[in-house]
Amino acid sequence: QVQLQQWGAGLLKPSETLSLTCAVYSGSFSGYYWSWIRQPPGKGLEWIGKITYSGSANYNPSLKSRVSISVDTSKNQFSLKLTSVTAADTAVYYCARLVPAWSGAFDIWGQGTMVTVSS
Amino acid sequence: SYVLTQPPSVSVAPGQTASITCGGDNIGNRSVHWYQQRSGQAPVLVVYDDSDRPSGIPERFSGSNSGNTATLTISRVEAGDEADYYCQVWDTTSDHPEVFGTGTKVTVL
Repeated sequence: QVQLQQWGAGLLKPSETLSLTCAVYSGSFSGYYWSWIRQPPGKGLEWIGKITYSGSANYNPSLKSRVSISVDTSKNQFSLKLTSVTAADTAVYYCARLVPAWSGAFDIWGQGTMVTVSS
Repeated sequence: SYVLTQPPSVSVAPGQTASITCGGDNIGNRSVHWYQQRSGQAPVLVVYDDSDRPSGIPERFSGSNSGNTATLTISRVEAGDEADYYCQVWDTTSDHPEVFGTGTKVTVL
């Protein structure tokens, strides 16, 4: 049973950098896209970006200038960095596995991390 | 980027059928996925590729897709089905390929 376990700082000040990591347990790391998705309080889901096993990434154009996703294949982990955060970045952040063979469905999700940006 | 529109809310009595729509331009030409998100929890995939169910998802959840509307149908609704539901498509030709719908709150009366 594949599981995603995520962690990172939950309280940031404006202008700081958000940093989250997601570990993949009990499953293959290759053959999938590894993604980050966020959900502001009371709102819908927003795709942030994704990365492949080989390190090829792409990002939501609205966040592209501030976001970076990296992968550590030796640890089966991938990470998110979002720079210059503001209150608008307050959200629950999820990592998720995208399955290309299922036309891009996200079949496994992490437990979520609430990130609050406040001075 | 591609836009997916859902009704904000749907109400249904226990035992009845709930239908949740997802509108998009020629969405029938795309594969649509559906997620259930109970309060305070991470989303769960309930239907992928329009009408397939992942292992462990009850047959009460079904999907269809044609023209400009995709539909998630929940038969014999139970109290535990009360949740937010999101549709999603994967547009590989776009610079914003992963698109979610606006979400629908299903209330079991």
